[in-house]
Amino acid sequence: KAGVTQTPRYLIKTRGQQVTLSCSPISGHRSVSWYQQTPGQGLQFLFEYFSETQRNKGNFPGRFSGRQFSNSRSEMNVSTLELGDSALYLCASSLSSPKMDTQYFGPGTRLTVL
Amino acid sequence: DQQVKQNSPSLSVQEGRISILNCDYTNSMFDYFLWYKKYPAEGPTFLISISSIKDKNEDGRFTVFLNKSAKHLSLHIVPSQPGDSAVYFCAASGHYGQNFVFGPGTRLSVLP
Repeated sequence: KAGVTQTPRYLIKTRGQQVTLSCSPISGHRSVSWYQQTPGQGLQFLFEYFSETQRNKGNFPGRFSGRQFSNSRSEMNVSTLELGDSALYLCASSLSSPKMDTQYFGPGTRLTVL
Repeated sequence: DQQVKQNSPSLSVQEGRISILNCDYTNSMFDYFLWYKKYPAEGPTFLISISSIKDKNEDGRFTVFLNKSAKHLSLHIVPSQPGDSAVYFCAASGHYGQNFVFGPGTRLSVLP
């Protein structure tokens, strides 16, 4: 079974631009979560989608948004990029809930904002 | 204010000895705890979990201990192997599967 895939793997943007990251979950998984990892902060939860609906949300500004498609693929968008948005963005999928089922993480997208 | 803390950013252990990674949490509503391992350039991989109704869970070389009164959990790896060298994240979740909160991670180095 193919794992969680994320595209692109690396991205360089400048301040003020916007970016869209993509995540394809493991086949059959319906829950997709997004995390931001920065040095010293660990993984910070952004949001979780299930059946095309945002089910949980972390404490991030409205510049961070996401969506999920009917095939469970998910995209995350960050608008008006700031230098502090430079991070590794990780996507994780689980069968129905990250608590009830094991979360499987993708390799991440490394975003650099200049 | 970090709800999940891993106060040791790094730990070095000799191969064959025990590795003990510690994690403290502040939110008493957390009732499900997990450990993840992360190698460079890869996403975290689930290792082991424990529910608050238990105080110990074992899986092969990995054992997680939970002390609810102290709001503390620990991961024991026995015996430690060089392949265990990675960053270990502790994570916690509330009863209704609310947001997972991760700690900042501890880098474990197992020396041959």
